[in-house]
Amino acid sequence: GESVGLHLPTLSVQEGDNSIINCAYSNSASDYFIWYKQESGKGPQFIIDIRSNMDKRQGQRVTVLLNKTVKHLSLQIAATQPGDSAVYFCAETPQGGKLIFGQGTELSVKP
Amino acid sequence: DAGVTQSPTHLIKTRGQQVTLRCSPKSGHDTVSWYQQALGQGPQFIFQYYEEEERQRGNFPDRFSGHQFPNYSSELNVNALLLGDSALYLCASSLGANQETQYFGPGTRLLVL
Repeated sequence: GESVGLHLPTLSVQEGDNSIINCAYSNSASDYFIWYKQESGKGPQFIIDIRSNMDKRQGQRVTVLLNKTVKHLSLQIAATQPGDSAVYFCAETPQGGKLIFGQGTELSVKP
Repeated sequence: DAGVTQSPTHLIKTRGQQVTLRCSPKSGHDTVSWYQQALGQGPQFIFQYYEEEERQRGNFPDRFSGHQFPNYSSELNVNALLLGDSALYLCASSLGANQETQYFGPGTRLLVL
């Protein structure tokens, strides 16, 4: 069935390093993708999005890459900070407004 | 600019009871979507409301129902609660019912005993 999966459930990085979080999606009809950050006890927070007519989009310290050929999405965080520690979810929208989320990757930043 | 708000923040119920959760969308948004997030999992889509109608529904039983009011706020109702309904219930709002960015509220933590 439709699913969005993450390659790595946990990721530990040193403060100041770059982080890369990967995501695979299975629905080729999906044309809108979002990355969310969720801190403990809070709702998911929008980070960045990308539509299928693009393969790269940059924000402040974050970059999302989309490879439609292999149905792969990644989130790159530059100069990772302790405040970046959280669970990161990718989500896809195959139709209408329904978001399909993966299980999440927990990012831990060591000072 | 007010973000998405949800009430209550926490709730404890017993099996068989009914519960109503509330959501106010972000200012300017007209669409509300509800998600259930079990511990350690990603959110699962329950349904979406636009123009006071249910526009899309996920794989949830009829015990889960909702409503959207003329001011765009929304309620999620769950009847005949089961232990497995214990989860974080998230509301997200957007402008439009299609592929637009959804912004989430803080959620309501429901515990069913």
